[in-house]
Amino acid sequence: DTAVSQTPKYLVTQMGNDKSIKCEQNLGHDTMYWYKQDSKKFLKIMFSYNNKELIINETVPNRFSPKSPDKAHLNLHINSLELGDSAVYFCASSRIQRDEAFFGQGTRLTVV
Amino acid sequence: DAKTTQPPSMDCAEGRAANLPCNHSTISGNEYVYWYRQIHSQGPQYIIHGLKNNETNEMASLIITEDRKSSTLILPHATLRDTAVYYCIVSSAGNQFYFGTGTSLTVIP
Repeated sequence: DTAVSQTPKYLVTQMGNDKSIKCEQNLGHDTMYWYKQDSKKFLKIMFSYNNKELIINETVPNRFSPKSPDKAHLNLHINSLELGDSAVYFCASSRIQRDEAFFGQGTRLTVV
Repeated sequence: DAKTTQPPSMDCAEGRAANLPCNHSTISGNEYVYWYRQIHSQGPQYIIHGLKNNETNEMASLIITEDRKSSTLILPHATLRDTAVYYCIVSSAGNQFYFGTGTSLTVIP
């Protein structure tokens, strides 16, 4: 069983479109995250949710909106996609703070 | 922003110990040292973390200097599957991590 699963694995879309990436964890964790890894391989946190509540929101454009329908899910909606949004997006979860984080396999988003 | 400094790349012979250094001279008292690795095209994988004392688990050992300004991750018997980018991270806020550029470890047969 996959601990943290993301769908889709690959996403190619045109500029200006709106897309969503889904994330689910079956570990019973309280905290979930979204990270972005750019072409230079820098991995940067975007959002952190604890028990469905936003606890960190790094400086990302407001075109990015996380939504957590329940503790096991944290989806990422992106409006008006731009070329610079092309990256690999990773979802992660952890039980509590300072605990190990489990990452999904990533979603490679390509905006053309 | 990353608060750690790591060498960009290292090689290690298969079966030998891999010692990956990390400098974190500005670490504060409540910050932990975490190590993750990322094998090509996969999500980052947790390895180990510690605060002051040395730590060991089934994957690796973490040696933290007494002044906590640097640490070393030790993979005791490197295998080809250990080839990856290794990230050293300091954080006080759980998993609100800022990954740096890491060390690209290549295990050579």
